[in-house]
Amino acid sequence: GAVVSQHPSWVICKSGTSVKIECRSLDFQATTMFWYRQFPKQSLMLMATSNEGSKATYEQGVEKDKFLINHASLTLSTLTVTSAHPEDSSFYICSARQTGPGNNSPLHFGNGTRLTVT
Amino acid sequence: AQSVTQLDSHVSVSEGTPVLLRCNYSSSYSPSLFWYVQHPNKGLQLLLKYTSAATLVKGINGFEAEFKKSETSFHLTKPSAHMSDAAEYFCVVSHSGGGYQKVTFGTGTKLQVIP
Repeated sequence: GAVVSQHPSWVICKSGTSVKIECRSLDFQATTMFWYRQFPKQSLMLMATSNEGSKATYEQGVEKDKFLINHASLTLSTLTVTSAHPEDSSFYICSARQTGPGNNSPLHFGNGTRLTVT
Repeated sequence: AQSVTQLDSHVSVSEGTPVLLRCNYSSSYSPSLFWYVQHPNKGLQLLLKYTSAATLVKGINGFEAEFKKSETSFHLTKPSAHMSDAAEYFCVVSHSGGGYQKVTFGTGTKLQVIP
């Protein structure tokens, strides 16, 4: 089955530093990847849609200069949290959909990254 | 417009008894529907999907769901709960319309299995 690898699984950083999270589709190509943030005991909140070879599309209220997204290849998207603050501490999850027509292909999720900013 | 409603935020069952997790949806297009499971500090794992074929869909780990268009429902069931089923479950609706794909998540249902 389709596998999405997300790295790191957890990271602790100091305020003011930047953190990069990687999302890779291991056995399929994904022109589109999605980045989510999940607060405790809540559902996933879509942050942005990452498009290979073009700019990401950010959801309303998500700062694009704060959360930098790069989708340089069909198998890799990265999310960089710049100048991290304690309020950025959260669980970040990426997902990818196998390239294909229509909406029948399910999303495949990474295992998430637990970010703690001290 | 598109929305997903998971009617119960928490469901508690005894081990060996049936599981029912409810999901209702609305969509202006013909949607695809999915159920995902999330264990603590993990990503989401696909349980099953409905994509306009058979209305009764069988998934992994003994789960199944029935698409009922007249009731706009896609409830998840399992005949006999196992301790390992304790997790968070998300109902998801997806459609391609207006030239773009839109995915909407339900708020999740936490399943507790009592030994």
